[in-house]
Amino acid sequence: GAVVSQHPSRVICKSGTSVKIECRSLDFQATTMFWYRQFPKQSLMLMATSNEGSKATYEQGVEKDKFLINHASLTLSTLTVTSAHPEDSSFYICSTKKAGAGAQYFGPGTRLLVL
Amino acid sequence: GIQVEQSPPDLILQEGANSTLRCNFSDSVNNLQWFHQNPWGQLINLFYIPSGTKQNGRLSATTVATERYSLLYISSSQTTDSGVYFCAVNYGQNFVFGPGTRLSVLP
Repeated sequence: GAVVSQHPSRVICKSGTSVKIECRSLDFQATTMFWYRQFPKQSLMLMATSNEGSKATYEQGVEKDKFLINHASLTLSTLTVTSAHPEDSSFYICSTKKAGAGAQYFGPGTRLLVL
Repeated sequence: GIQVEQSPPDLILQEGANSTLRCNFSDSVNNLQWFHQNPWGQLINLFYIPSGTKQNGRLSATTVATERYSLLYISSSQTTDSGVYFCAVNYGQNFVFGPGTRLSVLP
């Protein structure tokens, strides 16, 4: 398997503020990481693919200026929710995949509540 | 795009019972994974199973890629098996999740 960490595990913020979530691949270098969002009682939806050293690829309907992704190193990707609003409250989960291997490994998730 | 369906959507079992969860997908896929999401939200890898059959303790899974479905078997269920079970498939560059099966195991 693979070990993926996320920080923070939960965050509460006021509307209009920005929140940064970190995703770390602890036991291998990940050129690609993935960010998902999960609303209550729903499945996971891919938001974007984070590529080390280049721009992220966003899924249709996901605002790239609102959800800033930075993949500055082979072990760290960050997701910044800018000017958060209550509708951004959700469970954000990152994942990694070893090069050449098919399985994805997920972090423990970050629960965001915007008041 | 690809459609991933899971059945049943909800399942309630008495502790000790067996169950079968199904995942259907509408196109050929590169791989398939089964996950268990625990009450705290953590996704736990159960199986990476693009084809064939695998077993891990009380759990086993079978994927018939040519017929575009996968089955997850849970035997002698325990209360700790409660949670949501997702299948997810690799379709091209995308990793697509099914809607999940919510399992409740009663003591």
